[in-house]
Amino acid sequence: DAGVIQSPRHEVTEMGQEVTLRCKPISGHDYLFWYRQTMMRGLELLIYFNNNVPIDDSGMPEDRFSAKMPNASFSTLKIQPSEPRDSAVYFCASRGLNTGELFFGEGSRLTVL
Amino acid sequence: AQSVTQLDSHVSVSEGTPVLLRCNYSSSYSPSLFWYVQHPNKGLQLLLKYTSAATLVKGINGFEAEFKKSETSFHLTKPSAHMSDAAEYFCVVKGMDSNYQLIWGAGTKLIIKP
Repeated sequence: DAGVIQSPRHEVTEMGQEVTLRCKPISGHDYLFWYRQTMMRGLELLIYFNNNVPIDDSGMPEDRFSAKMPNASFSTLKIQPSEPRDSAVYFCASRGLNTGELFFGEGSRLTVL
Repeated sequence: AQSVTQLDSHVSVSEGTPVLLRCNYSSSYSPSLFWYVQHPNKGLQLLLKYTSAATLVKGINGFEAEFKKSETSFHLTKPSAHMSDAAEYFCVVKGMDSNYQLIWGAGTKLIIKP
């Protein structure tokens, strides 16, 4: 298996623009997680899905952030409009049922100017 | 409620000397515990996990950790540090009362001096 695949790896955009980050989890994994990592706040869980259904989005910072999982092999995290304080590395991770082990993608580094 | 505390934000050791990264947890249940490693500009990778089997857990790259219930600790060790071990290490606890809740430590940055 190729592991969790994220795209783009790097994104530089201007304030106010829409940003879409993409994730392909490991095949057969039931859970998908979106994390954000910054120097100031460390690793934060934004939202997670179980069987494509959002279970807990309490970590999503505000309405500008949205996440979808239209099928078992694809998820998106969208920021609209983006702001400089959204600059961070966004990680997607997946895991199977009844296991705590998360498999992470390599992250999408977002810079909002 | 579960929590995890990594006692050092930075640890600096010389190459070839032992590594000790400290982690204490709090859990009202028998926890599952993990150590993850993050190399610069990379994603996080599982080093090892404890899930109520053997208390001494061996992981990748020569790391191991010992679960000590009496001390509520899960310290990560390696007998001899290598330059490639320079990374950030995260201790994570998962409570048995939830199938998703992972509590992350703040991370310990391991610096290897030549």
